[in-house]
Amino acid sequence: RKEVEQDPGPFNVPEGATVAFNCTYSNSASQSFFWYRQDCRKEPKLLMSVYSSGNEDGRFTAQLNRASQYISLLIRDSKLSDSATYLCVVNWAGGFKTIFGAGTRLFVKA
Amino acid sequence: EPEVTQTPSHQVTQMGQEVILRCVPISNHLYFYWYRQILGQKVEFLVSFYNNEISEKSEIFDDQFSVERPDGSNFTLKIRSTKLEDSAMYFCASSGTGAFFGQGTRLTVV
Repeated sequence: RKEVEQDPGPFNVPEGATVAFNCTYSNSASQSFFWYRQDCRKEPKLLMSVYSSGNEDGRFTAQLNRASQYISLLIRDSKLSDSATYLCVVNWAGGFKTIFGAGTRLFVKA
Repeated sequence: EPEVTQTPSHQVTQMGQEVILRCVPISNHLYFYWYRQILGQKVEFLVSFYNNEISEKSEIFDDQFSVERPDGSNFTLKIRSTKLEDSAMYFCASSGTGAFFGQGTRLTVV
């Protein structure tokens, strides 16, 4: 089983749609969780941390289920500018080891 | 806004040559990382660095790789004898809460 697994997509959605990405991780000792976005040929950029209680930042909502070792990201009211690859990221070893998922590609179309 | 800076942005080197990739992390961050991304593939963890020593490293980070913090600001990745398969984008990151990435150095080994 891969350490961090994501549906590669691509997800093709119209503007205004709601889209959800899922991620599973294999190491139950994982300690912290993040979503990053990466535009083509650019560096990954931190989108949001993910907490057990769930957290929201504007149109973005992240959820963590430790029992199922599952992380999700929900994007509401999609914009053209949301088109990117979304990376699920898991830290363990005291936060020192970081594993990236392969990413889910999102295309938002007008 | 503070940022991680990397130099050079692009380096071309001959197989077997040594290269040093440079990074200036965000000044009050204590944790530093190197990642690489081969074109079209996922971001891969190489090494983490804290308190002037390696905290964690991946299987990729073999004896040909080394990291150093030669002064209070720079953080370097050295590849001793480059191979064709070392061609990739190399990202440096530093972290407080979540990791912030530099724009990367594209290394091309010919």
